Amino acid sequence: DVKVTQSSRYLVKRTGEKVFLECVQDMDHENMFWYRQDPGLGLRLIYFSYDVKMKEKGDIPEGYSVSREKKERFSLILESASTNQTSMYLCASLSPNSDTEAFFGQGTRLTVV
Amino acid sequence: QKEVEQDPGPLSVPEGAIVSLNCTYSNSAFQYFMWYRQYSRKGPELLMYTYSSGNKEDGRFTAQVDKSSKYISLFIRDSQPSDSATYLCAMSSSRGSTLGRLYFGRGTQLTVWP
Repeated sequence: DVKVTQSSRYLVKRTGEKVFLECVQDMDHENMFWYRQDPGLGLRLIYFSYDVKMKEKGDIPEGYSVSREKKERFSLILESASTNQTSMYLCASLSPNSDTEAFFGQGTRLTVV
Repeated sequence: QKEVEQDPGPLSVPEGAIVSLNCTYSNSAFQYFMWYRQYSRKGPELLMYTYSSGNKEDGRFTAQVDKSSKYISLFIRDSQPSDSATYLCAMSSSRGSTLGRLYFGRGTQLTVWP
């Protein structure tokens, strides 16, 4: 079974802090994604990466950056956390050569106070 | 206009009912259509996957795609309380591309009461 593991289930951070959300997958998938999920807005793509050191902006990249130094790990960085970044963050991975589609982590519920 | 539209509900049905969940989309390039199920406080999990138009059945679940109308559906027969979850439709125009990404609907929250 593919496993996508997010480092934290719940986080509480203060406004202005730099926040790191980590995601690791164990199936050698090329593509990895970061989404945020908010009530009434659904899943919105923040950033994605299709290879090591490669990244592409999604639909809402402002206030975020990402890092992909190794194939299995994709990190989301909030440079200076703000209260409007309080959300559920979901990481996903995808192999373009697989019959199955994206696998998601359990999510990180981030609260910025 | 969002690429994918989905009524967020909530939808509440009695056990045993037939449930119909739907999405519409605007991008005619979409070829791959998926339904994800998300239980409370969990990440989404793939439920059904369909390529192009047609029907696909898996147990109590049937996925339908009508590309001419840009409309997809998920039917749940003999619904159970364990089916209570949020159902998200998703679609993409490419699977093998290195830039493959999914476009999600907002999700429909379903409750099946005993």
